[in-house]
Amino acid sequence: GAGVSQSPRYKVAKRGQDVALRCDPISGHVSLFWYQQALGQGPEFLTYFQNEAQLDKSGLPSDRFFAERPEGSVSTLKIQRTQQEDSAVYLCASSLGQQAQPQHFGDGTRLSIL
Amino acid sequence: RKEVEQDPGPFNVPEGATVAFNCTYSNSASQSFFWYRQDCRKEPKLLMSVYSSGNEDGRFTAQLNRASQYISLLIRDSKLSDSATYLCVVILSNFGNEKLTFGTGTRLTIIP
Repeated sequence: GAGVSQSPRYKVAKRGQDVALRCDPISGHVSLFWYQQALGQGPEFLTYFQNEAQLDKSGLPSDRFFAERPEGSVSTLKIQRTQQEDSAVYLCASSLGQQAQPQHFGDGTRLSIL
Repeated sequence: RKEVEQDPGPFNVPEGATVAFNCTYSNSASQSFFWYRQDCRKEPKLLMSVYSSGNEDGRFTAQLNRASQYISLLIRDSKLSDSATYLCVVILSNFGNEKLTFGTGTRLTIIP
């Protein structure tokens, strides 16, 4: 489809494993955002890309979290040495990057750390 | 203190009733304001933008009070399909990084 695509839809990992979450934004969208949504909470900002440049990573909770968007399109969020508190839904959103353009969200990846 | 605060509910409201949600934000420099809707296990979707002059979209009316840093959403003649979590959202800057700051969300259930 033409929307934001995220994979996998669900991921279960053991504590200490590394995981990689993928986001395929809408074609032509310059801005890409990652958010983390814990159960019963609103999404919280993790990081922002404008094309391939990561301009804001102030929301990443620790240095175990790393995101990239090397060609300005697909983005990957990697979590190293996962902890139970990393269990959440990880949402990706993209937008045209112009003022006041709406962000379009993917379905999210539901991550469970055992 | 969270940047965007909402009553988490739940609000259980009979079909056809009018329901109102409120939200406050802490940063007076916030530029843009929205209500998003999120269904269970789904992604957030933009419901409507919020302006100081107030805006209406069918049964939904949103209002912004910049002086009080307060945002509201009114739903009239509620339908079963309105059951969802309603997220209050602000953007600090309109230039470049328009990261969304979400409230906790208010859960609404419409009862037949």
